[in-house]
Formats: sequence, structure tokens, C-alpha cells
Amino acid sequence: EVQLLESGGGLVQPGGSLRLSCEGSGFTFSNHAMNWVRQAPGKGLEWVSGITGNSLSTYYLDSVRGRFTVFRDNSKSTVFLQMNSLRAEDTAVYFCAKDIDWNEGAFDHWGQGTLVTVSS
Amino acid sequence: EIVLTQSPATLSLSPGERATLSCRASQTIINYLVWYQQKPGQAPRLLIYDASNRATGTPDRFSGSGSGTDFTLTISSLEPEDFAVYYCQQRSTWPPLTFGGGTTLEIK
Repeated sequence: EVQLLESGGGLVQPGGSLRLSCEGSGFTFSNHAMNWVRQAPGKGLEWVSGITGNSLSTYYLDSVRGRFTVFRDNSKSTVFLQMNSLRAEDTAVYFCAKDIDWNEGAFDHWGQGTLVTVSS
Repeated sequence: EIVLTQSPATLSLSPGERATLSCRASQTIINYLVWYQQKPGQAPRLLIYDASNRATGTPDRFSGSGSGTDFTLTISSLEPEDFAVYYCQQRSTWPPLTFGGGTTLEIK
């Protein structure tokens, strides 16, 4: 059974940093791109970032490029999202999502989400 | 960036009725359209990919159609568990991957 378990969310002040983690199990982690999708309270889904299985390609939403960094450790089946210079508008539930294949841009399994709140 | 517009924003129907949800893209996305279902407090669930292919575990009352810029998700006969929010997402031109604003399917 595929499982994705996120952690690392919490309350942070504007300008602060957080690192999210997502550990996968039940599939060959290195064979799939992993992505982060967020959902602000009461709002829709917004793709944030993605990384291929070999880490050679990374992708970012324009509004987070330069502030967020996605990376992965395939030996630990874990993908990370390092978030710096956080803003109030980054407040959301962050989901990690597994690509259906190498890097197709569709997601067949999602984590339960971790809440990031940026507030003073 | 490709913009996806979903309509209606809210659809009120009764169990057993047929639901038709629309997703329109700002430019052609061929058939690279994905549908997800999300229930309150839960992560999204993949329903349909590439416009018409049901994902593993998706009941056959769900069907997807369309190509180019106009797409439809149809639920042939609503079950109580189908009342949720539905999102479309394009994977034709990215980054960024983009989602529609969602359609809330509520019980009438």
C-alpha cells in the first residue's frame, strides 16, 4: 500500500523558515517525481514545486522561486520542501503528491497534508 | 500559464441524478486533463487522467470526455459518497501545473 507521510508544518513568523518532509512507502520511490501542492484555508489547490526521481530537474511556482527549495533523499524515500522568507500568503495546508509515473504531472497518491501558518 | 475555468461553481443535485461538471482551458491542452475529488478534511483523490481514463479504483459511474479546451466530468447516477469538491488540472504545458477553481457538488 502506497503511503505518504508529511511532517514539519507549524506556526512561523513572516520572514521565517520551515522545512517540510514527506516520507513515502509502498512503491519504488526513486522511480517517481514528487510534488508539493498547497491549499490555503477555504481555497482551491495550487501546485508549488516538483522534483524528478533522479533530482536532475526541479520545478517551481513563480511566486515561490528563489524562496523555496525542493530536494529529495532516495535512500530515505523522503522529499523535502525548504521554505525561506515565508509570507502570510504562504499559509496553507501543504500536500506532497506522488507522480503517476516518472514525471507525468498527474498525482495518484497524496499525503494527508501539513498545515503551515505564517503569522506574527 | 494555462488557466482552467470550472463551472458551475456549485451544483445542487439529489442522489440518483446525473451530474455534469465542466472545465474549460484558456488554450488547447490536447487531452492532458486530470480530475480529482476532494472531501472535507481529506487529500484529493485521482479520478480521471488524460481526459477519459479512469484511475485504479474509480467507479465506472464516473466518466470523462473532451479534448482541446473543453472537458466534462460526468457522474451517471450520484451516490451519497460522491458529494464533494471536484478539481480539474492540466498537465499539457508546465510549469506551472494548474488547477481549476473547483466545483462543489452538494446534496439538494
